[in-house]
Amino acid sequence: KQEVTQIPAALSVPEGENLVLNCSFTDSAIYNLQWFRQDPGKGLTSLLLIQSSQREQTSGRLNASLDKSSGRSTLYIAASQPGDSATYLCAVSNQAGTALIFGKGTTLSVSS
Amino acid sequence: SQTIHQWPATLVQPVGSPLSLECTVEGTSNPNLYWYRQAAGRGLQLLFYSVGIGQISSEVPQNLSASRPQDRQFILSSKKLLLSDSGFYLCAWSVEPSRDSKFFGPGTRLTVL
Repeated sequence: KQEVTQIPAALSVPEGENLVLNCSFTDSAIYNLQWFRQDPGKGLTSLLLIQSSQREQTSGRLNASLDKSSGRSTLYIAASQPGDSATYLCAVSNQAGTALIFGKGTTLSVSS
Repeated sequence: SQTIHQWPATLVQPVGSPLSLECTVEGTSNPNLYWYRQAAGRGLQLLFYSVGIGQISSEVPQNLSASRPQDRQFILSSKKLLLSDSGFYLCAWSVEPSRDSKFFGPGTRLTVL
């Protein structure tokens, strides 16, 4: 059974810092991996999608990497801003692509 | 552009009452549709998915059911709510189930008392 773990559960940093969020999964037979952002009481916003054949994806200040063989992904946020404060969720897609298995998220707080 | 709507945004219901949550997608045809639940202290869990009208797959046996009466409409229902049904319900869609990103709606916060 696929399990997704995100470390740390919470993170507080001052504005301007570069930071890394970690995601690990137990079964490397995934189709893709997706990073989401969730603001309190809101739905999920898709940040980056990495196909299993890819190593990384970039969008603005965000860079996500994938090492499928070791079951790991990282989300790198450059020059963090208070507006980046949110919960970041990692999810892997099963082989059929029908189900996303989510981690419990990392809650990020960026102080000005 | 595509948009996804859910209503109601919040709902408080007594135990044993029925439930109907609605999700609609605009700007795309024949989307794959999903219902997820986010319970306190737990990760998001897939409840149902649908690849077409009238086609529903259940991931977790439970007190809930889903229906897809129209191409871009997905409904989550229950005949009798349980306390354990409380949570944040999210609808999502994708074009291709495997390859593409899944996009989520704003969610419905359900509290069962």
